[in-house]
Amino acid sequence: KAGVTQTPRYLIKTRGQQVTLSCSPISGHRSVSWYQQTPGQGLQFLFEYFSETQRNKGNFPGRFSGRQFSNSRSEMNVSTLELGDSALYLCASSSIDSGYEQYFGPGTRLTVT
Amino acid sequence: QKEVEQNSGPLSVPEGAIASLNCTYSDRGSQSFFWYRQYSGKSPELIMFIYSNGDKEDGRFTAQLNKASQYVSLLIRDSQPSDSATYLCAAGQYNFNKFYFGSGTKLNVKP
Repeated sequence: KAGVTQTPRYLIKTRGQQVTLSCSPISGHRSVSWYQQTPGQGLQFLFEYFSETQRNKGNFPGRFSGRQFSNSRSEMNVSTLELGDSALYLCASSSIDSGYEQYFGPGTRLTVT
Repeated sequence: QKEVEQNSGPLSVPEGAIASLNCTYSDRGSQSFFWYRQYSGKSPELIMFIYSNGDKEDGRFTAQLNKASQYVSLLIRDSQPSDSATYLCAAGQYNFNKFYFGSGTKLNVKP
């Protein structure tokens, strides 16, 4: 089975812009979670989608949003970018059939200048 | 208080030794526990998961869970230099599919 894929792998944006990141889960996985990883804060949960519905949300401002499509692919959007949004954004997929173990994609490295 | 606590390390062990990594969690409702390995510049890789009290072994890795003490550990036997990485512990409730990650323990295995 192919793993979790994320596009793009690298992004450079300027403050105030917006960005959309994409995640394709492992085939058959219907749950997609998004995380932000920074050296200072570690891995922080953004939100989780299952069957096109957001079930959980972390403590991030409303500038961070996401959605999931009927084929389980997911996107996350960050509007009005700030310097502090520079991070590695990771997507993880899981299946209820496998006990919700999460498998991570390679991540998108976002740099805000 | 963080939901999942880990010693940041670095933990240094000689090649061939047993590396012991520890993690505590605060939410008594946590049902699922995971250990991930993350190499520098890479994404986390799932290496072990455990749901029940006791030990779970997979090759050189053993995960141990003690729900009464809210404690999870990972033992790596016959440590190899290729095991040098940051190890992340995660805990959460699978029915909500929301997990909290520790900040990770950096392991150095010296040849």
